[in-house]
Amino acid sequence: DTGVSQDPRHKITKRGQNVTFRCDPISEHNRLYWYRQTLGQGPEFLTYFQNEAQLEKSRLLSDRFSAERPKGSFSTLEIQRTEQGDSAMYLCASSLGLGVRNTEAFFGQGTRLTVV
Amino acid sequence: DQQVKQNSPSLSVQEGRISILNCDYTNSMFDYFLWYKKYPAEGPTFLISISSIKDKNEDGRFTVFLNKSAKHLSLHIVPSQPGDSAVYFCAASRPTGYALNFGKGTSLLVTP
Repeated sequence: DTGVSQDPRHKITKRGQNVTFRCDPISEHNRLYWYRQTLGQGPEFLTYFQNEAQLEKSRLLSDRFSAERPKGSFSTLEIQRTEQGDSAMYLCASSLGLGVRNTEAFFGQGTRLTVV
Repeated sequence: DQQVKQNSPSLSVQEGRISILNCDYTNSMFDYFLWYKKYPAEGPTFLISISSIKDKNEDGRFTVFLNKSAKHLSLHIVPSQPGDSAVYFCAASRPTGYALNFGKGTSLLVTP
């Protein structure tokens, strides 16, 4: 399967714990995005990488959230001191950026986080 | 502030008929629009897109229409099939931005 891969698919954690999610984008894609989706809402943008550089962050990304993309390949999203409000589906997407114009972003299946 | 709005949470259509899903946007800087389809427990799947320099784009059974003056776009599915039953998200982006702004989605049910 050469699509966007996310791990784990599901994560249940206790409030206050730290969690880390991994995303493996489509191999030739240089752009990688993280989105969050809660029930009844569309995906909300969190952050964006072009290769290894994190170029854009949403105000939704509080200081408890950190994302990395070492070497411009896979990416990790870490949430520290989780809160119940962090419960959501975390989606990763990748695209092949040509200049300033994006091509369509391809999404992974997401990681469902439940904070209890 | 929701910049992309899908005002119909759900739509039910008979198989073989046309499905029309609507989307409105408020940010005049948006110049690229996309539709994604999402099945339960899966990530969104890209369906079709349109640039603001066009007013129509067609791909098989799917056609997207863009009315820039009204800041409105629509997705037409003809003929609708039961396998089209899913949540459809409208999304938009700015020329110099990389984030997609999504609407809340419309749940389409195509009945046999």
